[in-house]
Formats: sequence, structure tokens, C-alpha cells
Amino acid sequence: ILNVEQSPQSLHVQEGDSTNFTCSFPSSNFYALHWYRWETAKSPEALFVMTLNGDEKKKGRISATLNTKEGYSYLYIKGSQPEDSATYLCASPKYNFNKFYFGSGTKLNVKP
Amino acid sequence: GAVVSQHPSRVICKSGTSVKIECRSLDFQATTMFWYRQFPKQSLMLMATSNEGSKATYEQGVEKDKFLINHASLTLSTLTVTSAHPEDSSFYICSARLAGTQETQYFGPGTRLLVL
Repeated sequence: ILNVEQSPQSLHVQEGDSTNFTCSFPSSNFYALHWYRWETAKSPEALFVMTLNGDEKKKGRISATLNTKEGYSYLYIKGSQPEDSATYLCASPKYNFNKFYFGSGTKLNVKP
Repeated sequence: GAVVSQHPSRVICKSGTSVKIECRSLDFQATTMFWYRQFPKQSLMLMATSNEGSKATYEQGVEKDKFLINHASLTLSTLTVTSAHPEDSSFYICSARLAGTQETQYFGPGTRLLVL
């Protein structure tokens, strides 16, 4: 079993604020770290797949970093907008990519 | 691209009845589909891995006779909750992986099951 944890559980910010949250995972036998955005009543949407220590990926105002040695990834949102309100999930797969271990998510609410 | 649909989105049934949930990959072929269950405020937990043309692989603690999985084609997997009981009430969500890849899973929108 892979223990993937996310913090905080929920976050409330004002429009325009920048924010970040954390995903921690076991650093041994690491293969990949996936981030998803999950809006209410919709399908989780893949944001990033990260594999290498020091990876930094960006998609618009959202970026993510990866530290495989210490077992954490940060997701940053610059200038949060109400449409960023969603639950952000991270997941780490086992070696054969058949089993993903998910964190319980960070629920972000951006107030206009 | 890579859209996965799931039907129904919400179902209420009486205790003892069976419920079938469909998961379809709409614009790609998926040799592997996954079924997850999520309890309130908890993580998505993998129930089983569904491989086209072969028997599903169930995770420890998941009863295969209770949760019947069929993956008859490259675009359709079904999960049947047999003789449902109130404790089976949960959120069920499927995902599909593009044939020939080992990375991103594409998710359906999920099914909320309530057993009375």
C-alpha cells in the first residue's frame, strides 16, 4: 500500500490570491505522480504527469513541482479565479501503472 | 479527446436488487478500465482492474461475486452490484487507459448509488 496524503483538506481563498497545496508520497520505489482537477459533477481532468526529481510543469496559471527524494509535490495556482474552484487530487502508481494510490484531495474554493 | 462516459449518474434502488453501471470510452480504445469506489471524505479506492476479453482482477477485500465486472469490448466495461444493500451506497467511478500507454487514466463522471 502506498500512503499518499494531501494537505490541506480544504482551502478558501479570495479571487486574485495565489495558493499552493501539497501531496506527499513514499519516496522509495517512485514511478510517477499525477495531478487531477475534479470539478463537481464532472470527470476528474488530468493536469500533470511528473516523473523526474526536480520536474516543474506549468499549464496556464497552474504549475507543479516534484521532489522525489523527500517525497512531495506542490501544486501552485497563481491569481486564483472562481473557475479554479475544484478538488485537486494527486495519485501515485505502482510499477505496472495498474494500481494508482490517490490522496483524499484538496478542495479549493475561490470566492469572487 | 479521451472522453469517458458513465451511466447512470445517479441511481436509487431497493435493498436486494441489482444495479448495473456502464463505463464507455467514447473516442478511444481502452484495453484496461478501472473501477473505483469513494466513501465520503476519503480517497478513491481501486476495486478492480477490468481487462478486455479476460476476467477482472479484484483488489483485496472486494467480493467478486458481489461486484460483477464485464469488459466485453474495447470501449465498454460494466459493473453490476448484485443484491445491493445499504452499505453498498457509495460513489462509483471508472477510468480507462489508452491502449498501448501506461500513463494517464481518463475518468468518467461517476455514479452515485443509494440503496434503500
